[in-house]
Amino acid sequence: QSALTQPPSASGSPGQSVTISCTGTSSDVGRYSSVSWYQHHPGKAPKLIIYELTQRPSGVPDRFSGSKSGNTASLTVSGLQAEDEADFYCSSYAGNNTLLFGGGTKLTVL
Amino acid sequence: QLQLQQSGPGLVKPSETLSLTCHVSGDPISTNKYYWGWIRQPPGKGLEWIGNLFYGGSTYLNPSLKSRVTISVDTSKNQFSLKVRSVTAADTAMYYCARLESWQYYFDFWGQGTPVTVSS
Repeated sequence: QSALTQPPSASGSPGQSVTISCTGTSSDVGRYSSVSWYQHHPGKAPKLIIYELTQRPSGVPDRFSGSKSGNTASLTVSGLQAEDEADFYCSSYAGNNTLLFGGGTKLTVL
Repeated sequence: QLQLQQSGPGLVKPSETLSLTCHVSGDPISTNKYYWGWIRQPPGKGLEWIGNLFYGGSTYLNPSLKSRVTISVDTSKNQFSLKVRSVTAADTAMYYCARLESWQYYFDFWGQGTPVTVSS
């Protein structure tokens, strides 16, 4: 099992949109819809922002959206705000009751 | 409101066993809807899934850690625990416990995190 591949960094100006990719294989991201995304501010616990590819938990703004194409899942943050600056991690079910995380993407709001 | 409260030592000597406990309040740990899991983050690195446990005792572990990790449950205390044997400096990390939805496999509630350093 290898970690899912995410770009180490992404950035955008306030109000802009940014998309973060999460690339796996046909055995994980490509095969299952159980892909989730987490926002992690330093010193805090990670926070679930997307589950089941596109679903948002209660309280998560609709500026956050998820999608998938083939073996790559994506998180889009629209209308960037200063408080969106954080590390973002994807996760995917990988079969046999196992999970994979991505390496993380540091989002900077310019 | 569900809360996961972690406890355990923050310093472990090399070759010894790291032990952490996660106490669950606000919901019974004995539920079919959720697993209970451990995740860690080494300094400067990303999240790593360690393993999950079902309240009945079934465990599912990261293959890379499987030989050294035990996850167990104490339903009478509504808590679950992690043990990592024969630790090295590579096990230095922030350790999190979390609740995992058992069908769609996402962590919806997390503990506060416990920083663990492996050092003599």
